[in-house]
Amino acid sequence: DAGVIQSPRHEVTEMGQEVTLRCKPISGHNSLFWYRQTMMRGLELLIYFNNNVPIDDSGMPEDRFSAKMPNASFSTLKIQPSEPRDSAVYFCASSSLDEQYFGPGTRLTVT
Amino acid sequence: AQTVTQSQPEMSVQEAETVTLSCTYDTSESNYYLFWYKQPPSRQMILVIRQEAYKQQNATENRFSVNFQKAAKSFSLKISDSQLGDTAMYFCAFMSMGSGTYKYIFGTGTRLKVLA
Repeated sequence: DAGVIQSPRHEVTEMGQEVTLRCKPISGHNSLFWYRQTMMRGLELLIYFNNNVPIDDSGMPEDRFSAKMPNASFSTLKIQPSEPRDSAVYFCASSSLDEQYFGPGTRLTVT
Repeated sequence: AQTVTQSQPEMSVQEAETVTLSCTYDTSESNYYLFWYKQPPSRQMILVIRQEAYKQQNATENRFSVNFQKAAKSFSLKISDSQLGDTAMYFCAFMSMGSGTYKYIFGTGTRLKVLA
């Protein structure tokens, strides 16, 4: 298996623009997680899905953030409009039971 | 609420020496899992070792082993024969099975530097 795939790996955008991050989980995994990592706040869970259904989105910072999982093999995290404080590395992870497998992350820079 | 605490922000060790990273957690659950993840400069999160709370035997993976003290809620990671490639950020994580979900709680990490 190719592991968790994320795209793009790097994204640079201007404040106010819409940003969409993509994730393809490992085939057969039924849980998917979106994390954000910054120096100041460490690794934060934003939202997670179980069987394509959002279970806990309490970590989503504000309404500018939204996540979808239209099917078992694809998820998106959207930021609209983006702000400089959204600059971070965003990880997607998937699991079938207890072990989470992380993607390589997307480094987002908002100028 | 569950919490995970890593009290050592940074550590260093000489190559070939042994180092122990500490992690404590707080939970009222009895059935849970604990993990150590490694994040090298490439930023990829890599699972190093896992421990099921119901198992008394400490987990071991090659040069990596844990000291799991359930009563003390302590879960330390020991790295033997440290190698330069062990230089990374190490995160301790907790997952409770009580709610039937698989949500992780991560510690703030320990930055380990292996010195040549």
